Amino acid sequence: EPEVTQTPSHQVTQMGQEVILRCVPISNHLYFYWYRQILGQKVEFLVSFYNNEISEKSEIFDDQFSVERPDGSNFTLKIRSTKLEDSAMYFCASSEVAGGSEQFFGPGTRLTVL
Amino acid sequence: DAKTTQPPSMDCAEGRAANLPCNHSTISGNEYVYWYRQIHSQGPQYIIHGLKNNETNEMASLIITEDRKSSTLILPHATLRDTAVYYCIVRGYGGSQGNLIFGKGTKLSVKP
Repeated sequence: EPEVTQTPSHQVTQMGQEVILRCVPISNHLYFYWYRQILGQKVEFLVSFYNNEISEKSEIFDDQFSVERPDGSNFTLKIRSTKLEDSAMYFCASSEVAGGSEQFFGPGTRLTVL
Repeated sequence: DAKTTQPPSMDCAEGRAANLPCNHSTISGNEYVYWYRQIHSQGPQYIIHGLKNNETNEMASLIITEDRKSSTLILPHATLRDTAVYYCIVRGYGGSQGNLIFGKGTKLSVKP
């Protein structure tokens, strides 16, 4: 069964450093998403991406964040200058169509900012 | 998107049916009810969705009341592996909006 994969599974970084989280969505999916979950809290939407541009973003997704689809398979989330409060699980998801159908989530990347 | 209300936690005996309720009294006519679950810090997993008719798939059944103000997710024979947080999400279908708004969900504990 096709699945979304994410790398790395765990990333530890120093405050102020840049991190790039990587995702490989399901191959025939066209819509991609990033969510995050701070330990013990709700899953929060960050951004959705379609046709090489952001289609929607939340208030959390400020100028420190960016997303990119550098090639036909990868979808990345970059945090330019990490803060302690960026420590969270980051989940990538993809879906075949927008605004409906199921979203398939990856296993997540645990980001720890020291 | 309409707001949903779910009990914070529920217990279920292994092998029995788990019935998870969700209230969505402000649901509008074009909004669907989606259910996802999250097993211990894994990525959320889609379970089922419906508009007004009852739905069944290999994982679960979804019963939506006639007035659509509430629904119940049924896991017919719960196993220990069904222990998870279950999220009821109401949202429109189609359009450019894709984000899912997760609440706190119901923590289901399946006990032997």
